[in-house]
Amino acid sequence: AQTVTQSQPEMSVQEAETVTLSCTYDTSESDYYLFWYKQPPSRQMILVIRQEAYKQQNATENRFSVNFQKAAKSFSLKISDSQLGDAAMYFCAKDSGGSNYKLTFGKGTLLTVNP
Amino acid sequence: DVKVTQSSRYLVKRTGEKVFLECVQDMDHENMFWYRQDPGLGLRLIYFSYDVKMKEKGDIPEGYSVSREKKERFSLILESASTNQTSMYLCASSLAAAGELFFGEGSRLTVL
Repeated sequence: AQTVTQSQPEMSVQEAETVTLSCTYDTSESDYYLFWYKQPPSRQMILVIRQEAYKQQNATENRFSVNFQKAAKSFSLKISDSQLGDAAMYFCAKDSGGSNYKLTFGKGTLLTVNP
Repeated sequence: DVKVTQSSRYLVKRTGEKVFLECVQDMDHENMFWYRQDPGLGLRLIYFSYDVKMKEKGDIPEGYSVSREKKERFSLILESASTNQTSMYLCASSLAAAGELFFGEGSRLTVL
């Protein structure tokens, strides 16, 4: 079974600062997708950003960007200009490649934003 | 707006009871999923379905079954609830493989 590892159970950041959440994964595929999902307290999980493995360019969505290192099997999330609303549990996830619909999630990183 | 609705936010059941968790999506998505979320373990896939009446086991299917009679509805069934099934259950749907998952608000089940 493939694994997705988030080595930081908890992180904290000051408002307006930048924080990076780490994620590594295990795979034998060359083509796959990687995701970061955000789960605010008592609210629904939502997609933050998605990266296609065959694309060399790192994905960005406003203040959120990724550092995708395919050879190192690393997929970190950078949050710039952190806001109080960014406080949440963040999950890294990877699909199984091909036509498989399954996502494997990491254990999550709880991000605290300090005012 | 995209919507995945889980029928119950909080349930308390007794050991041995049969439990139904219902999930409905209004996006005409092909794929639906049931995940279990536990602290320190992340999300683990129980079952998923990529078409009506089709289902596939995820990583932790033991003690669970599912039903998908209509495209918009995916039910998770605990035939005989046990205390180790106390957890948060998340339903999700997606349009295509590797597509964005849309999640419900979750159903927190406590088995006494």
